[in-house]
Amino acid sequence: AQKVTQAQTEISVVEKEDVTLDCVYETRDTTYYLFWYKQPPSGELVFLIRRNSFDEQNEISGRYSWNFQKSTSSFNFTITASQVVDSAVYFCALTTNFGNEKLTFGTGTRLTIIP
Amino acid sequence: ETGVTQTPRHLVMGMTNKKSLKCEQHLGHNAMYWYKQSAKKPLELMFVYNFKEQTENNSVPSRFSPECPNSSHLFLHLHTLQPEDSALYLCASSHQTGGLGNSPLHFGNGTRLTVT
Repeated sequence: AQKVTQAQTEISVVEKEDVTLDCVYETRDTTYYLFWYKQPPSGELVFLIRRNSFDEQNEISGRYSWNFQKSTSSFNFTITASQVVDSAVYFCALTTNFGNEKLTFGTGTRLTIIP
Repeated sequence: ETGVTQTPRHLVMGMTNKKSLKCEQHLGHNAMYWYKQSAKKPLELMFVYNFKEQTENNSVPSRFSPECPNSSHLFLHLHTLQPEDSALYLCASSHQTGGLGNSPLHFGNGTRLTVT
């Protein structure tokens, strides 16, 4: 069985502050992939990043960065210098094995950036 | 037009009505999915189609009936729904070769369904 936990239900920060969204996962498989998706008010889930279990290198993309730590089964997402357009619900997700078509999602974290 | 398009954006229906949700993808993908998003619950996978063949039915009640006439179109036919079926229904697509690890899901904007 696999599980994704996003303990933070809602977070509010003032614009330009940094914010970290937590994601903890559970799986018995040694090969797996982790994802982050953003869901703005329009409803569409937007793919942000994919990370496989063999690549623990952290990644930075502009103001976004991701910290993958297998030792703690975490895949946290940090937004630096937050902007109002970052307000959305963010989902962490997990899939395991080659050819698997099931994606297990967390319950999401609603991020509000206060101008 | 690109991406995944869902119609209608909003739908209100009575419990005795019959309606259909439509999804179309312009990404050349061969797998299509229906997900249900209810308040404060994780996204629930409902159905998966791979090259027009249904490969996953996640114990969905028969009042939801999917149809996939080709790799670009997916429908969800609704009849005799219950108020608890009110939710955001999201369609997604992907390249199925290699699984989701190699081809992430691309989602539509969803249909907000309200059953009265």
